[in-house]
Amino acid sequence: GDSVTQMEGPVTLSEEAFLTINCTYTATGYPSLFWYVQYPGEGLQLLLKATKADDKGSNKGFEATYRKETTSFHLEKGSVQVSDSAVYFCALSGNTNAGKSTFGDGTTLTVKP
Amino acid sequence: DTEVTQTPKHLVMGMTNKKSLKCEQHMGHRAMYWYKQKAKKPPELMFVYSYEKLSINESVPSRFSPECPNSSLLNLHLHALQPEDSALYLCASSRGQTGSNEKLFFGSGTQLSVL
Repeated sequence: GDSVTQMEGPVTLSEEAFLTINCTYTATGYPSLFWYVQYPGEGLQLLLKATKADDKGSNKGFEATYRKETTSFHLEKGSVQVSDSAVYFCALSGNTNAGKSTFGDGTTLTVKP
Repeated sequence: DTEVTQTPKHLVMGMTNKKSLKCEQHMGHRAMYWYKQKAKKPPELMFVYSYEKLSINESVPSRFSPECPNSSLLNLHLHALQPEDSALYLCASSRGQTGSNEKLFFGSGTQLSVL
């Protein structure tokens, strides 16, 4: 079945540092890929998505590129802020498993001033 | 309006109580979901409604009973819960069932404690 593997956390960075959170996936067909973010005490929010190979999703300075050859969708940001502290979930949604999104285990990011 | 609204935000109940969680969206979405999320874990799918009909039940115990009165509302009725059911319950919606391009809109959740 489908699966998503995220780099283990937690990740602690200083403000303005470069961020990478690795995500790889296994899926049949051609899934769409997503990054969701969850701030403390809140639900998940879509951060960015990509629907086909070589697509780049971007939002709020975050970027991720759909790499079919390496089955990866790594999240990057050039300069993190304290307000980026949250839990980040990589997810996929494939048309062979309609109704079910598959989530990674989540990576907790803490940014220190 | 791009919000999914959940009530209540917090709920404490005993193992013999009956309570309900409510979820509402006015985005015209035709798919609605209940997820359960334990601390520091990803959300786990419980139920999916598509066009107001239950389309997926992930083998959830019968003490959880979903209901979709109309296309904007989703309820989760709770009865005789166990302490291990304590978790954050998230409602979500999407335009259609998640397929190749559907993103999920989540509510802020109900933090449930079962004593």
